[in-house]
Amino acid sequence: YELTQPSSVSVSPGQTARIPCSGDVLTKRYVRWFRQKPGQAPVLIIYKDSERPSGIPERISGSSSGTTVTLTISGAQIEDEADYYCYSATDHFIFGGGTKLTVL
Amino acid sequence: EVQLVESGGGLVKPGGSLRLSCAASGFIISNAWVNWVRQAPGKGLEWVGRIKSKTDDGTVDYAAPVEGRFTISRDDSKNTLYLDMNSLKTEDTALYYCATPTTEMDVWGQGTTVTVSS
Repeated sequence: YELTQPSSVSVSPGQTARIPCSGDVLTKRYVRWFRQKPGQAPVLIIYKDSERPSGIPERISGSSSGTTVTLTISGAQIEDEADYYCYSATDHFIFGGGTKLTVL
Repeated sequence: EVQLVESGGGLVKPGGSLRLSCAASGFIISNAWVNWVRQAPGKGLEWVGRIKSKTDDGTVDYAAPVEGRFTISRDDSKNTLYLDMNSLKTEDTALYYCATPTTEMDVWGQGTTVTVSS
């Protein structure tokens, strides 16, 4: 994968989960984040590094620093358990391998 | 409303062929760069190929696993993109999406399922 994500992140309920996504191209290109729960289609939760589509709560945020963009989920809840994918658009779409977030 | 709708998925035997469609509404598909992306069961998202806009010469590129077997084309009169898949392998089994990047939120279709099995 052209973007690098950790394969898994675990937090306790109420803690803050941070999922990094890194790649050299990210100094010049925006990142989007998908959330995908088992058996469901991916849902866009962040675009342009830090913008939230309508309906996505403020406790979900994105930030960028150099070659790394970070998805932050504050006050993680059981319902946040999912796979999270980052991707960007260069000459074509490039993806991270996905991060499984466990909240327990 | 800007929208992409895929269709054409189904069950096909190894070595067989299938054509997927990606119909656009709310915008002119030939003015956009459109990607095909797939997700195999239990796996991550994988880029399949991309066609550039007409003004960018409509260049098509493919990921290595499908190069020489898959072809992306466009019918401007139908505002529709196609993915022709030949010599299908079991590892091509996936949910296939078409998607186009924008300066705000990208537009994705809902996907169509391709199953390659004997």
